[in-house]
Amino acid sequence: NAGVMQNPRHLVRRRGQEARLRCSPMKGHSHVYWYRQLPEEGLKFMVYLQKENIIDESGMPKERFSAEFPKEGPSILRIQQVVRGDSAAYFCASSPTYGGTGVRASYEQYFGPGTRLTVT
Amino acid sequence: QKEVEQNSGPLSVPEGAIASLNCTYSDRGSQSFFWYRQYSGKSPELIMSIYSNGDKEDGRFTAQLNKASQYVSLLIRDSQPSDSATYLCAVNRGSTLGRLYFGRGTQLTVWP
Repeated sequence: NAGVMQNPRHLVRRRGQEARLRCSPMKGHSHVYWYRQLPEEGLKFMVYLQKENIIDESGMPKERFSAEFPKEGPSILRIQQVVRGDSAAYFCASSPTYGGTGVRASYEQYFGPGTRLTVT
Repeated sequence: QKEVEQNSGPLSVPEGAIASLNCTYSDRGSQSFFWYRQYSGKSPELIMSIYSNGDKEDGRFTAQLNKASQYVSLLIRDSQPSDSATYLCAVNRGSTLGRLYFGRGTQLTVWP
């Protein structure tokens, strides 16, 4: 499977629990982005990461949310003490290493299947 | 003013017709423009990217960009029922890698 992988595909958590969402980028991609899509709303940027670095977290809520992309392993979006308003689809996207496949190709983001989080 | 706005839709066209989807953006410094297709319950799928003024064609799809008017559009020729989906316009504001700003999407229905 050469595409972006996310797991789990569906996650149910009770209020107050922690949710941990994982994303493995496409092979050859070193840039990872997380987006959230609330019902009947558009996609909203959350965070942009490269290996071991957070590049832009301007879309992340100030509390309870964190993200990482370690040297080894998938990127993880962590939501602590979930509330019902966190129920949404969370998508991860990746883009190629800058200049690796042509400059312009580096701007193109490819999405994973998403994790549907339901908070009960 | 929203970063990216799309015609609200929904848009309904008969099979074989041309579907026209429109998008405007607020930041004049925007450099990269994308169209994604999203089927209900699925993830966005990149179908077109455009970076320079003018038209870009790929099969039945044509993207058009006018930076002076801050306008980007997508034309789908010979529309098929399988094209029925929500189409998302996305914009990258700078010339560097980074976040995409998405419109709310236009829902397209192609009826046989």
